[in-house]
Amino acid sequence: EVQLQQYGAELGKPGTSVKLSCKVSGYNIRSTYMHWVNQRPGKGLEWIGRIDPANGNTIYAEKFKSKATLTADTSSNTAYMQLSQLKSDDTAIYFCAMDLMVLMDAWGQGASVTVSS
Amino acid sequence: DVVMTQTPVSLPVSLGGQASISCRSSQSLVHSNGNTYLHWYLQKPGQSPQLLIYRVSNRFSGVPDRFSGSGSGTDFTLKISRVEPEDLGDYYCLQSTHFPPTFGAGTKLELK
Repeated sequence: EVQLQQYGAELGKPGTSVKLSCKVSGYNIRSTYMHWVNQRPGKGLEWIGRIDPANGNTIYAEKFKSKATLTADTSSNTAYMQLSQLKSDDTAIYFCAMDLMVLMDAWGQGASVTVSS
Repeated sequence: DVVMTQTPVSLPVSLGGQASISCRSSQSLVHSNGNTYLHWYLQKPGQSPQLLIYRVSNRFSGVPDRFSGSGSGTDFTLKISRVEPEDLGDYYCLQSTHFPPTFGAGTKLELK
């Protein structure tokens, strides 16, 4: 069974950075794209970007180009997203998702980021 | 970016009844390769989204045949027949024909 494990909750102060992880078991991330999606409190879903772990190639939605940095460690089968220069607007749940057979058909359970001083 | 407009925002239904959700895009979702990349997800309360329908009308693995997708161009519909309690939650359409992928704002399926 394929599982995407994201860990809990992060608290960040304005202006700092947080790094979220998404550890995949049951599937080699080299064989897929890893996406990140956010959901602000009470709001809908927003695609942030994706990485091809096989070569590190990334692509971002324009509004996240200076906010998010996606990386992947194929040795640990883990994808990462760093969010920089945190603002209150970055408070959200962040999901990782991957393309097993079709687009974003497997999801992590989400990680909460709260930005507060 | 392509704007995805979902209606209604909220949809009260009775168990055993039928529900229909509309999703309209600001541009045609027909890709240059002839495929239409319009997908539907369900997010149950407190859970991550799960894929229901991909490329307009293909049910994902394990999705009951009570769920059906249809449409073309800019106009798409998700129908749920014989609504069951586990169908309640927020439904989102997603287009991935154009970059970046964009979601609709969601439709909350709730009990009448």
